[in-house]
Amino acid sequence: GNSVTQMEGPVTLSEEAFLTINCTYTATGYPSLFWYVQYPGEGLQLLLKATKADDKGSNKGFEATYRKETTSFHLEKGSVQVSDSAVYFCALSGSYNTDKLIFGTGTRLQVFP
Amino acid sequence: SQTIHQWPATLVQPVGSPLSLECTVEGTSNPNLYWYRQAAGRGLQLLFYSVGIGQISSEVPQNLSASRPQDRQFILSSKKLLLSDSGFYLCAWSPTDRRNTIYFGEGSWLTVV
Repeated sequence: GNSVTQMEGPVTLSEEAFLTINCTYTATGYPSLFWYVQYPGEGLQLLLKATKADDKGSNKGFEATYRKETTSFHLEKGSVQVSDSAVYFCALSGSYNTDKLIFGTGTRLQVFP
Repeated sequence: SQTIHQWPATLVQPVGSPLSLECTVEGTSNPNLYWYRQAAGRGLQLLFYSVGIGQISSEVPQNLSASRPQDRQFILSSKKLLLSDSGFYLCAWSPTDRRNTIYFGEGSWLTVV
């Protein structure tokens, strides 16, 4: 079945450092890929998404590219801020809009000034 | 625009006591509704989802139950809480025809003591 694997946390960085959070997936067909962010004490919010191979999702300085050849959707940001401290979830859905989302276990990011 | 509300935000309950968490969605009709649990260090687990009034699917066997008495109301319940029920519970909704586009509520912290 479909699954998502993301790197263990926490990831600890200084402000303005480069961020990469790895996410790989297993799926049949052509899944859609998502990154959600959960700020402390809040629910999850959609950060970005990509629906087909080689698409790049981007939002708030974060980017992720849908790589079918490596089955990956790594999240990157060139310069993190303290306000980016949160838990980041990679997620996958099947080829159809009616397919359910499958979430990874989440990666906590801590950014220090 | 659509909004989702869940309450209470924080709950401390003794072992063996009942539970009721409520969630309502505004600004849309016939949404898909979800209950997720986020236990410490264990990521996001889908507990229940509903595609219509009275239609509930359970993803994992457990001590909890869900009900959907109205189109935009979703309730998570337990008759007798266990210590292992502690966690962060998230209600979410998605449009009828797009189950991979999910919007989350702000969550409810449950501590069973």
